[in-house]
Amino acid sequence: GAGVSQSPSNKVTEKGKDVELRCDPISGHTALYWYRQSLGQGLEFLIYFQGNSAPDKSGLPSDRFSAERTGGSVSTLTIQRTQQEDSAVYLCASSLPNSPLHFGNGTRLTVT
Amino acid sequence: QKEVEQNSGPLSVPEGAIASLNCTYSDRGSQSFFWYRQYSGKSPELIMFIYSNGDKEDGRFTAQLNKASQYVSLLIRDSQPSDSATYLCAVNLNQAGTALIFGKGTTLSVSS
Repeated sequence: GAGVSQSPSNKVTEKGKDVELRCDPISGHTALYWYRQSLGQGLEFLIYFQGNSAPDKSGLPSDRFSAERTGGSVSTLTIQRTQQEDSAVYLCASSLPNSPLHFGNGTRLTVT
Repeated sequence: QKEVEQNSGPLSVPEGAIASLNCTYSDRGSQSFFWYRQYSGKSPELIMFIYSNGDKEDGRFTAQLNKASQYVSLLIRDSQPSDSATYLCAVNLNQAGTALIFGKGTTLSVSS
């Protein structure tokens, strides 16, 4: 079966541009997470969607970051006016409620 | 503030030895505990999960949970060079709308 799919796998953008990162979770998984991992660092929680509940946005580092999940499936993470410190691997994961996460392969974002 | 703490390492063990990885968490209400392994440049993959106090064994891996001490560990018996990776501890409250929080990970190096 298909796993969590993320696109693009790599993205290079100029400082100040907006970017959109896409996550297609495993079918039937109601929970969807976005994490960010800088080089050599741990996973930094960004945002969490669970079913129809209001998302937990407590990890978003600034108002330049936003995410949505349409129809309880595909999610898009948008970063506006990108900065060099936004360079990282952005990981999406999905799961059934209170179950282990399944991660996608990530999007490597480089802001020049 | 929910926190998950791990020693960053590196933890170095010879091939065949037991590797012991430790994790403490701050939220006494935490209910679900996970260990993920992450190879360099790859996404995290689930190793084990544990919900109840005590030990849980799966092959060469044993997870140990002590909720009173807010401590969870992962033992790897007969360590192999292929076990060399970063091990991430993750914790959540097992309640709807609660995100999974990761520690920064411990890097394990198994020498042959």
